[in-house]
Amino acid sequence: KQEVTQIPAALSVPEGENLVLNCSFTDSAIYNLQWFRQDPGKGLTSLLLIQSSQREQTSGRLNASLDKSSGRSTLYIAASQPGDSATYLCAVFDYKLSFGAGTTVTVRA
Amino acid sequence: DAGVTQSPTHLIKTRGQHVTLRCSPISGHKSVSWYQQVLGQGPQFIFQYYEKEERGRGNFPDRFSARQFPNYSSELNVNALLLGDSALYLCASSWGSGRTEAFFGQGTRLTVV
Repeated sequence: KQEVTQIPAALSVPEGENLVLNCSFTDSAIYNLQWFRQDPGKGLTSLLLIQSSQREQTSGRLNASLDKSSGRSTLYIAASQPGDSATYLCAVFDYKLSFGAGTTVTVRA
Repeated sequence: DAGVTQSPTHLIKTRGQHVTLRCSPISGHKSVSWYQQVLGQGPQFIFQYYEKEERGRGNFPDRFSARQFPNYSSELNVNALLLGDSALYLCASSWGSGRTEAFFGQGTRLTVV
């Protein structure tokens, strides 16, 4: 059974600092990994998709890496802003998406 | 283009009742999946449908059922509601059978009293 863990569970940083969010998974037989953002009480917004054959993916201030063999992914958010405050979820896809519990980020102005 | 749309956005039901949740995928997407998210946890997989056939089912009781229509929209049905069914129900659509990027709707918040 796939287990996905996200550390830390919560993170508070001052505006401008870079964010580093970690995700680990137990079964490396995945097709892809996806990072999502969730605002309180809302649905999920897709941030980045990394196929299993890729090592990293970038979109604007966001960069995600994937090391499938060690079962790890890291999401980097450069120069954080108060609008980045949200819960960030990673999910791996084998035949379904398996999610971590998320990292709740607060960026202080 | 419209994203994934879910209806209703909120509803309150009484224990023992039945509920139907609806999802319209992004135009051109043929796969719809359903997830349940309890407060403070990540979403849990319930069902996946692709080309109107069930392709996967999570660890949920038979009270949960779903179907996909010819226009690729989907319904999730839950019978004999329990207090523990209170959650945010999320629908995701993707172009292929799931190996492509998944896009989620805003969810339906179900409260069982």
